[in-house]
Amino acid sequence: KQEVTQIPAALSVPEGENLVLNCSFTDSAIYNLQWFRQDPGKGLTSLLLIQSSQREQTSGRLNASLDKSSGRSTLYIAASQPGDSATYLCAVRTGTYKYIFGTGTRLKVLA
Amino acid sequence: GAGVSQSPSNKVTEKGKDVELRCDPISGHTALYWYRQSLGQGLEFLIYFQGNSAPDKSGLPSDRFSAERTGGSVSTLTIQRTQQEDSAVYLCASSGVGADTQYFGPGTRLTVL
Repeated sequence: KQEVTQIPAALSVPEGENLVLNCSFTDSAIYNLQWFRQDPGKGLTSLLLIQSSQREQTSGRLNASLDKSSGRSTLYIAASQPGDSATYLCAVRTGTYKYIFGTGTRLKVLA
Repeated sequence: GAGVSQSPSNKVTEKGKDVELRCDPISGHTALYWYRQSLGQGLEFLIYFQGNSAPDKSGLPSDRFSAERTGGSVSTLTIQRTQQEDSAVYLCASSGVGADTQYFGPGTRLTVL
């Protein structure tokens, strides 16, 4: 059974710092992995999607990597800003449509 | 353009009552998902609709939960005889044909007293 774990559960950093969020999964047979952002009281917004054949994806200050064989993904945020404060979730697609989500990392960037 | 909408945004009900939660997906999206997010937990898959195919109901936690999708568009999640453990945020997402990205609605926060 696929399990997705995110560490740390919460993180507080000063503005401007570069940071790494971690996501691990137990079964390497995945179709893709997505990173989402969730703001309080709102739904999820897709940030980056990495197909199983890819190693990384970049969007602006965000870079996500995928190491399928070791069951790991990282989300790197450069030069963090207070507006980056949110909960970040990763999800792996295990079949034609099913996704398994992690419990998220709650990030707070202090001004 | 319009995103995924859900109503109501908040619902407070008494134990034992029935509730209906509504999801309006993005126009033209054939796939629709319902998830449940309990406090401190990840998203729990409930049900998946794809076009006119039979839905995947494997995530529904009990027979008190049911969902419909009329005309391949709007979906309603119904919880009968609500229990306190049903309290959670219920999220709906839709995606286009062959698309990987899911677009989420803002969710319905359900509180069962």
